[in-house]
Amino acid sequence: DQQVKQNSPSLSVQEGRISILNCDYTNSMFDYFLWYKKYPAEGPTFLISISSIKDKNEDGRFTVFLNKSAKHLSLHIVPSQPGDSAVYFCAASPLRTSGSRLTFGEGTQLTVNP
Amino acid sequence: DTAVSQTPKYLVTQMGNDKSIKCEQNLGHDTMYWYKQDSKKFLKIMFSYNNKELIINETVPNRFSPKSPDKAHLNLHINSLELGDSAVYFCASSQAGAEKLFFGSGTQLSVL
Repeated sequence: DQQVKQNSPSLSVQEGRISILNCDYTNSMFDYFLWYKKYPAEGPTFLISISSIKDKNEDGRFTVFLNKSAKHLSLHIVPSQPGDSAVYFCAASPLRTSGSRLTFGEGTQLTVNP
Repeated sequence: DTAVSQTPKYLVTQMGNDKSIKCEQNLGHDTMYWYKQDSKKFLKIMFSYNNKELIINETVPNRFSPKSPDKAHLNLHINSLELGDSAVYFCASSQAGAEKLFFGSGTQLSVL
């Protein structure tokens, strides 16, 4: 029973265009959501997060949108750069408990073509 | 200056062997974790330690035994390795009560 799902295993976009990565969750107790980025042979690194009291959080080229009623969040990268090519993991946690309660999606491989 | 370092990066071994993976963090964090990334690429928590005390053990066989000699180290010892243990194991750390994790670069374990 996978509570966080990233239904697109891969996404390919042109440099300069927008990348939109999607994530769906089923557990209504999830209260805090994060995106991590992972390069090959490295560990995931934190990218951006959002609390359930917000519907949008922006950090430079990265924006996360949360639609609680649809149990859906998305990560927008504008403009996309070749260095953004990586696997992106969505993660969710109930009530800001700790990293012990993070549930990760299976990741989406983003490829940004020059 | 690596924040979370784990060794070895690759580990190839035979079934039935015992092996250890070491992890150290220099971030001053109170909480450390072991995650397993399986063949389907999901990252799943195995253990969580806070100040050397075990706080989470998620349905992991007792062949896996974490050891935390101090709050900067969390090692993973695996007894009687099985084929199904083949995966990438990630160590991570965080401030207490925080979801923002800092991961090591992973250990690719292959059991033959």
